[in-house]
Amino acid sequence: DAKTTQPPSMDCAEGRAANLPCNHSTISGNEYVYWYRQIHSQGPQYIIHGLKNNETNEMASLIITEDRKSSTLILPHATLRDTAVYYCIVRVRAGNNRKLIWGLGTSLAVNP
Amino acid sequence: DGGITQSPKYLFRKEGQNVTLSCEQNLNHDAMYWYRQDPGQGLRLIYYSQIVNDFQKGDIAEGYSVSREKKESFPLTVTSAQKNPTAFYLCASSIETGYQPQHFGDGTRLSIL
Repeated sequence: DAKTTQPPSMDCAEGRAANLPCNHSTISGNEYVYWYRQIHSQGPQYIIHGLKNNETNEMASLIITEDRKSSTLILPHATLRDTAVYYCIVRVRAGNNRKLIWGLGTSLAVNP
Repeated sequence: DGGITQSPKYLFRKEGQNVTLSCEQNLNHDAMYWYRQDPGQGLRLIYYSQIVNDFQKGDIAEGYSVSREKKESFPLTVTSAQKNPTAFYLCASSIETGYQPQHFGDGTRLSIL
């Protein structure tokens, strides 16, 4: 079962901020949210992850709501190379381990 | 550069043959994973390994086998028992199976002729 909900597609103008939303209303209190992206025919690339606080790295910022039921990935200045499928993922418990549940993601098109 | 290497990038096999996909990492990660990706679907976990000489089945292990004889290597064999083997196969690794993120190779696209 997918534990996250994302819009299937989004557009963004080059140079503008891309804000990708994700709903994870069933997330547990100690579960992290992870974001990956995948360019066609390549492996997924890790972007960022977070638990409660907002996070920022050289690629993106992650904003998590106070109730942790949703988050937004922000690409501050989108370029054409940011065109990819973006996955928002949470871990679920599987026996004594945890596993990632991958949905279909959001296909982001950055337009010139 | 540290990373995960999958080879070959494209692989063709005749129906009924076993085929082995290679995955090597030089990140010194303990955990390694195999996923399968089909068009229009999310990644699905085939097998994972937390340490050398130990591995567990994922969600779709039937028709696949793995080994973990070395920390840096986690080969996947697609056997003739796998009913629909044509897919994009992705290998990943992480420091451990807890909260650290997984890092992926660039995949092997397997086509059965």
